[in-house]
Amino acid sequence: QVQLVQSGAEVKKPGASVKVSCKGSGYMFASHAIHWVRLGPGQRLEWMGWINVGSTETKFSQKFQGRITIKRDLYANTVYLELSSLTSEDTAVYYCARDGGFWSGYQDFWGQGTLVTVSS
Amino acid sequence: DIVLTQTPPSSPVTLGQPASISCRSSQSLAHSDGNTYLSWLHQRPGQPPRVLIYKVSNRLSGVPDRFSGSGAGTDFTLKISRVEADDVGIYYCMQVTQFPHTFGQGTKVEIK
Repeated sequence: QVQLVQSGAEVKKPGASVKVSCKGSGYMFASHAIHWVRLGPGQRLEWMGWINVGSTETKFSQKFQGRITIKRDLYANTVYLELSSLTSEDTAVYYCARDGGFWSGYQDFWGQGTLVTVSS
Repeated sequence: DIVLTQTPPSSPVTLGQPASISCRSSQSLAHSDGNTYLSWLHQRPGQPPRVLIYKVSNRLSGVPDRFSGSGAGTDFTLKISRVEADDVGIYYCMQVTQFPHTFGQGTKVEIK
């Protein structure tokens, strides 16, 4: 069965970077893009970026441009989100989600979420 | 960026009664390929979101048929024909017509 398993909770100081992993199993990993979405306290869901796992093409929200990196390791069936220059505004639960397929219009499987807390 | 505005922000409903959520987009979500990439998601506290409806009116596999989506252009609606206890949580509309993908601010559905 398809699963996305994310790394554990992180506590970071302002100015630091965080790296969250998302390991896929139960499907052809390179065949589906992966999205990263976050939910901050009292906020709406926020789309951060996307990687075409097969081609490594990425797209990011302009809001995070310059401090976001999304990479994949095909041997480990894992996608990584790295966010730098953290502030308290980055405190959120971060989710990876599998794209349903080329122009499917949906994300069909989601990771369990990773809480990132930014605090001095 | 495309802005999605949902109404109402909160919807107390009686079990077994219908519920309706509106989502209005700041620009048309019609794509040049002929599709309209508007989805509806449901999120319970402490759980990841789950897509219910995609491309306006298509239910994802396993989604009960009491959920239905409609609309076109800039105005969209999610309807729950008979609310069940399991339906509580926050509902979001989401557009993937254009990057960056964006979400509505959410509608909280709770039981009266």
